[in-house]
Amino acid sequence: DGGITQSPKYLFRKEGQNVTLSCEQNLNHDAMYWYRQDPGQGLRLIYYSQIVNDFQKGDIAEGYSVSREKKESFPLTVTSAQKNPTAFYLCASSRSLAGWGNTEAFFGQGTRLTVV
Amino acid sequence: SQQGEEDPQALSIQEGENATMNCSYKTSINNLQWYRQNSGRGLVHLILIRSNEREKHSGRLRVTLDTSKKSSSLLITASRAADTASYFCATGNQFYFGTGTSLTVIP
Repeated sequence: DGGITQSPKYLFRKEGQNVTLSCEQNLNHDAMYWYRQDPGQGLRLIYYSQIVNDFQKGDIAEGYSVSREKKESFPLTVTSAQKNPTAFYLCASSRSLAGWGNTEAFFGQGTRLTVV
Repeated sequence: SQQGEEDPQALSIQEGENATMNCSYKTSINNLQWYRQNSGRGLVHLILIRSNEREKHSGRLRVTLDTSKKSSSLLITASRAADTASYFCATGNQFYFGTGTSLTVIP
């Protein structure tokens, strides 16, 4: 089945530790995205990537880092510099950026990160 | 940020009634999309409307777009308990999402 997979579903980390969230897609999509969602809130864009080896900061990139070494994979690292990392993280992919070709985004099921 | 804003923030209706939610955005767009999120899950695409379209239908969904007012509305007709979810609009090349409308359909 084609889709986008995030792992793990739940993640607990101690304060001050870096943690990496996995996102893999087998849809052959060029563009990938990371969002953060806080309780009862909308989605805020952290980073996005249009193509392999290229990525751009979103609205809330501070304290996060990404890489795009393979088309299928777009891991997100939450660093110790992120002041309030506890949140629900969503990864998405699309054939191209939304404004080109009227493409839609496909989402993973999310990773709930809790920092204690 | 190009983030849109949905209105109302929360909506509670009886099963069988229609639900209308609105989205306002700030910049010019090529298209606007609506997504649905069940609690604790990822978002699912519902419908896309292009900037040169004024209305679009998909099953029980009806979307309108007014680019002069920078606004869109999503109408769900004959709602069901299974429609209970949060609904978001998205605009911009990077899929900027609004704050969402939480819809509760009471059986």
